[in-house]
Amino acid sequence: KAGVTQTPRYLIKTRGQQVTLSCSPISGHRSVSWYQQTPGQGLQFLFEYFSETQRNKGNFPGRFSGRQFSNSRSEMNVSTLELGDSALYLCASSLRGDWSTEAFFGQGTRLTVV
Amino acid sequence: AQSVSQHNHHVILSEAASLELGCNYSYGGTVNLFWYVQYPGQHLQLLLKYFSGDPLVKGIKGFEAEFIKSKFSFNLRKPSVQWSDTAEYFCAVNGAGNNRLAFGKGNQVVVIP
Repeated sequence: KAGVTQTPRYLIKTRGQQVTLSCSPISGHRSVSWYQQTPGQGLQFLFEYFSETQRNKGNFPGRFSGRQFSNSRSEMNVSTLELGDSALYLCASSLRGDWSTEAFFGQGTRLTVV
Repeated sequence: AQSVSQHNHHVILSEAASLELGCNYSYGGTVNLFWYVQYPGQHLQLLLKYFSGDPLVKGIKGFEAEFIKSKFSFNLRKPSVQWSDTAEYFCAVNGAGNNRLAFGKGNQVVVIP
């Protein structure tokens, strides 16, 4: 079966711009979680969506937002980009989002802010 | 809140050597525990997981991990590493019923042929 697809794979933006990243989960999976991966902080939880509802949010400023569509595809948006937002953004899809079943990660979107 | 500590961020060893990566977590309730691996340029993959039962868990590629509840630890081991085990390894914890996964900062493992 097809895996988790994240687009685009690479992105370069300028400070102050906004960006939208996309994640298509595995067919049948209703939960999508987003993580930010940086060398200094490792993987940090951004938010989790299930059936179009945000169920949990990490400690990120309001510039980070997301949504999920009825087909379970999810987008995350970062507004007013800062240099520190440069990171690999990963999404994970799973059936229920409670980690009792295996979650699958996408290859990520590498965002560089200049 | 759940948190995870991994020590010795950079590990360099020769092929056939044994590998042990430490993982300690902080969480007051029942936990689910995971080890993920990220090979260069690839996505995160699940190595093994512990939910309940036998605290010694066997995963893919000869890896195993032991859950010691009294020590809040879930250390990863492999008796004899190969060059292909060069990767970054992440320990992660999920508080049962919670829908977020907390990751450690990872161990960068380099195996020299």
